[in-house]
Amino acid sequence: TQLLEQSPQFLSIQEGENLTVYCNSSSVFSSLQWYRQEPGEGPVLLVTVVTGGEVKKLKRLTFQFGDARKDSSLHITAAQPGDTGLYLCAGAKSSGGGADGLTFGKGTHLIIQP
Amino acid sequence: NAGVMQNPRHLVRRRGQEARLRCSPMKGHSHVYWYRQLPEEGLKFMVYLQKENIIDESGMPKERFSAEFPKEGPSILRIQQVVRGDSAAYFCASSHGAGNYGYTFGSGTRLTVV
Repeated sequence: TQLLEQSPQFLSIQEGENLTVYCNSSSVFSSLQWYRQEPGEGPVLLVTVVTGGEVKKLKRLTFQFGDARKDSSLHITAAQPGDTGLYLCAGAKSSGGGADGLTFGKGTHLIIQP
Repeated sequence: NAGVMQNPRHLVRRRGQEARLRCSPMKGHSHVYWYRQLPEEGLKFMVYLQKENIIDESGMPKERFSAEFPKEGPSILRIQQVVRGDSAAYFCASSHGAGNYGYTFGSGTRLTVV
């Protein structure tokens, strides 16, 4: 069974601060996705990283895929209250076919206080 | 351009009853995935379907649970003889091809078994 460990589980910081959340595994994934989920809603895809060492930026969010494709990080610069939510990472095992679905981490609950 | 539509949003069933959860994928998407989310746990893969075919049901409990995606109409997740432990949020996601590059999730159905 592949596991994705996310850390920290909970994070509460002040508006304007920077933060990094981590997603680690002992297994190699063909791709890794980050989602954000708000209470009562489904997860919304933020980014997909595919190549080892890949870095993608989405405004104040920077996503990195580890060289060995086993881990990833999400860095938020100058956090804002609107960034509050549950951040989930999910790994795909196969590069095609889609079998087995995605393996999700338990998520990081992020609260940005004004 | 509707997204993934799930209904009902909330469903209350007594122990022993049947629950039927519906999912209409995004227009043009032929791949459907069902996930279950329990409090304080991550999303757990249940089943992956394409039109009229179950591709991977490795995450489905062996008894009482079934899923279908008919040629016409929505995908249905059916839970027979529900028990309290079935109470959870059930999410459907769809993708154009195999979902290794990201899913679009619905808002979920919250099942409560009383």
